[in-house]
Amino acid sequence: DGGITQSPKYLFRKEGQNVTLSCEQNLNHDAMYWYRQDPGQGLRLIYYSQIVNDFQKGDIAEGYSVSREKKESFPLTVTSAQKNPTAFYLCASSIGSGGYTDTQYFGPGTRLTVL
Amino acid sequence: GQQVMQIPQYQHVQEGEDFTTYCNSSTTLSNIQWYKQRPGGHPVFLIQLVKSGEVKKQKRLTFQFGEAKKNSSLHITATQTTDVGTYFCAGLAGSYQLTFGKGTKLSVIP
Repeated sequence: DGGITQSPKYLFRKEGQNVTLSCEQNLNHDAMYWYRQDPGQGLRLIYYSQIVNDFQKGDIAEGYSVSREKKESFPLTVTSAQKNPTAFYLCASSIGSGGYTDTQYFGPGTRLTVL
Repeated sequence: GQQVMQIPQYQHVQEGEDFTTYCNSSTTLSNIQWYKQRPGGHPVFLIQLVKSGEVKKQKRLTFQFGEAKKNSSLHITATQTTDVGTYFCAGLAGSYQLTFGKGTKLSVIP
């Protein structure tokens, strides 16, 4: 069964703690993405990676970090430096053929609440 | 940077009425994609438009890409309760980075 998995679905953390969200895909896609979704704000790009061991900042990278050590995995760490971390986080992947006709497949998302 | 504006933000329609959401980019796009997110779910790809003036149909859904490749629309004919959700457009302007509109949340009153 191919797809993108994100776990857990709901996550609670205390303020000041770092937290890592997992994202795994078995679609053999080269490109992976992290988005943040807030009510009425649409999707905003945090980080993306076009290939293993390489990643680029998106529009709202401050307070976040990522790694891409394996093609299948693209974990996102929400650090204590992120001022408003409570949000719905979506991971996506695409074939990564060059972006021109690349469609993105989304995981189910993780809803992070920082208390 | 590139901006993609989408209107309206919310739309309430009676079941059977038509619905349209509009997307406008500040820059010329390579392509535009449309996604649907059901309540509590994640965005799911609907369609991609690439050519200037392109029109594509999926059953009751009609997607258009403007001649200047800076605007797009999604029209749903005779809405059904299964159409409920938020519809996002996302534009690509020569990079790997899709820019999403803020979405139009559609409610259908039975």
